[in-house]
Parts: sequence; C-alpha cells; structure tokens
Amino acid sequence: SAVISQKPSRDICQRGTSLTIQCQVDSQVTMMFWYRQQPGQSLTLIATANQGSEATYESGFVIDKFPISRPNLTFSTLTVSNMSPEDSSIYLCSAGNTTSGLRIFGPGTRLTVL
Amino acid sequence: AQRVTQPEKLLSVFKGAPVELKCNYSYSGSPELFWYVQYSRQRLQLLLRHISRESIKGFTADLNKGETSFHLKKPFAQEEDSAMYYCAQLEYGNKLVFGAGTILRVKS
Repeated sequence: SAVISQKPSRDICQRGTSLTIQCQVDSQVTMMFWYRQQPGQSLTLIATANQGSEATYESGFVIDKFPISRPNLTFSTLTVSNMSPEDSSIYLCSAGNTTSGLRIFGPGTRLTVL
Repeated sequence: AQRVTQPEKLLSVFKGAPVELKCNYSYSGSPELFWYVQYSRQRLQLLLRHISRESIKGFTADLNKGETSFHLKKPFAQEEDSAMYYCAQLEYGNKLVFGAGTILRVKS
C-alpha cells in the first residue's frame, strides 16, 4: 500500500512566524487530508486538500490561517500562519480514495510554538 | 453532525484477560465504521472496518445498530496490544471523524 512522508518531522517556531509542512505520497491518491492532534486529544480534521482547486475547510479552520496547496495527486502542503502557542500540536497528513474510509497516515509533524 | 464517542480514556487489563473497547456512534442509517490503532512510536493505521467483518490480530468488532455501538473486542489480551485505539466514522463528504481514543495498557 501507499506510504506517506512528511517534512519536517518536528520544529520549534517563534510566535508570529509561519511554517509550511510538506506531505508526499509514493503513489497517486484521490483524496488528501490534514488533521491536527493536540496533546491528549483526538484527531481533528482541518481540511480536505483538493487537487487543482481550493481546499475544503472544516468549521473553525480558515484559509488565511491554514493555507493548503495540492498541485498534483501525490503532494500537498499545509502552512500554519502567524503562529501562536495555541498552534502547538501534531499535524498529520492523510490520504485515501473517495469511496471508503480507508486512510493511510503520515508520521506527523510535531510543532512547538514559543 | 455525526459524532463518535469513546467513553474510556484508559483501559488497563492483565495479559490473557478479555478486552472490550467501547465505541458509540451517532445514528446515520447505514454507518461506515472503523477502528484505527497507533502503537508506540508508529503512525496511525487501520485495524479493521465493520463491513469486512474480519478478525485482525484477534480483534473483532460488531456493529449493533440498536445500541449504535461498534465495540472492539479481543478474548485474550497480549502485551503487544498496548496502544491507542480510535473508533472512526465516515461522514458525508468522505470525511473520517475520530473518537477521542482509548489507551489500552496490557500488564504482564
């Protein structure tokens, strides 16, 4: 099955800066997703990354804060903009097809904002 | 919005004891439900899905529409089963929504 890699695996950033996380899948996938996993909490879906069009954001998440790109069927980026300590979390990339809930997940990016 | 509830944050059992991780979902007619697992230092991965009705690593999960439950069971826990377990439901728009997760600790 497909494998997802994410870069960076972790980062420590200053308040007010931005970080772009890259997600690469080793084969073409129909759908890509971004999740956030805050300490001690479950996975929260941020958005669905749509190839060739704007991402679909979940309630509570906006494009200005979390711009997403998906230029092709194997790659996506998530930017965390104007970071604050509340953005400290693990960000997970996920991929799957359109007809089932079968998903693969990346290893995550652990972000700490000081 | 459909939601998934896992009432237990932590479940601790002895090796060889039966395990039941609880999951309740909100009604959606014909739900699609999954169990995902995350072992220590590994990425999240699929354990099983209800439509396949299979047993993976000795685990099974039966969909009970009357109780809107999808509990995960194993008759004899092993130490290597220690992990975080997430119940998940596929929502409209192909969005996979997760419960809060249950940590399973199997003690020797």
